Amino acid sequence: NAGVTQTPKFQVLKTGQSMTLQCAQDMNHNSMYWYRQDPGMGLRLIYYSASEGTTDKGEVPNGYNVSRLNKREFSLRLESAAPSQTSVYFCASRLGGVRGEQYFGPGTRLTVT
Amino acid sequence: TQLLEQSPQFLSIQEGENLTVYCNSSSVFSSLQWYRQEPGEGPVLLVTVVTGGEVKKLKRLTFQFGDARKDSSLHITAAQPGDTGLYLCAGGYGGSNYKLTFGKGTLLTVNP
Repeated sequence: NAGVTQTPKFQVLKTGQSMTLQCAQDMNHNSMYWYRQDPGMGLRLIYYSASEGTTDKGEVPNGYNVSRLNKREFSLRLESAAPSQTSVYFCASRLGGVRGEQYFGPGTRLTVT
Repeated sequence: TQLLEQSPQFLSIQEGENLTVYCNSSSVFSSLQWYRQEPGEGPVLLVTVVTGGEVKKLKRLTFQFGDARKDSSLHITAAQPGDTGLYLCAGGYGGSNYKLTFGKGTLLTVNP
């Protein structure tokens, strides 16, 4: 079992460029999440998908779009990158239930210049 | 948005000392989770508490959920250098659209 995988691990973009961050889980989890982590800000929820076929905005969705491609895959797209989107991005998945653990991927470190 | 205040933000102590990290909110959570994160990696779950007043122990770590399910604490006894890391509390809410709101984290350094 690989758990939650994310690609790429590192990326540098110029302002205005676009890119898609990929996430996949092999644990048959229903819910998937995208977070960003900035120094002193903790983890903030960008978008989530409670189940296959549904997506909803989190705390900081502006500038991002998501696609729940199937039960395994949940991608995050930056249409026109801005320096404020420089961050570490984590994908997570969760089976369900109030005690359900969120399993996190290793993260993507994105720099926008 | 549910807010979770975590304190202290930084903690540097000597090996063998005890410490407590706090998470507080004005909101009620259905669960409270504590994660630990190493540099360059994603957070890893330490414990989940769901009942008001619940106490869980994990070796030298003791976790408590407040009676009103609005706050939690993590107590480490006789800290060791291997305890060094970023500790994050996270409150669960949202029912069928279950989400976590995270505290800003406590960066713990245990010096030998």
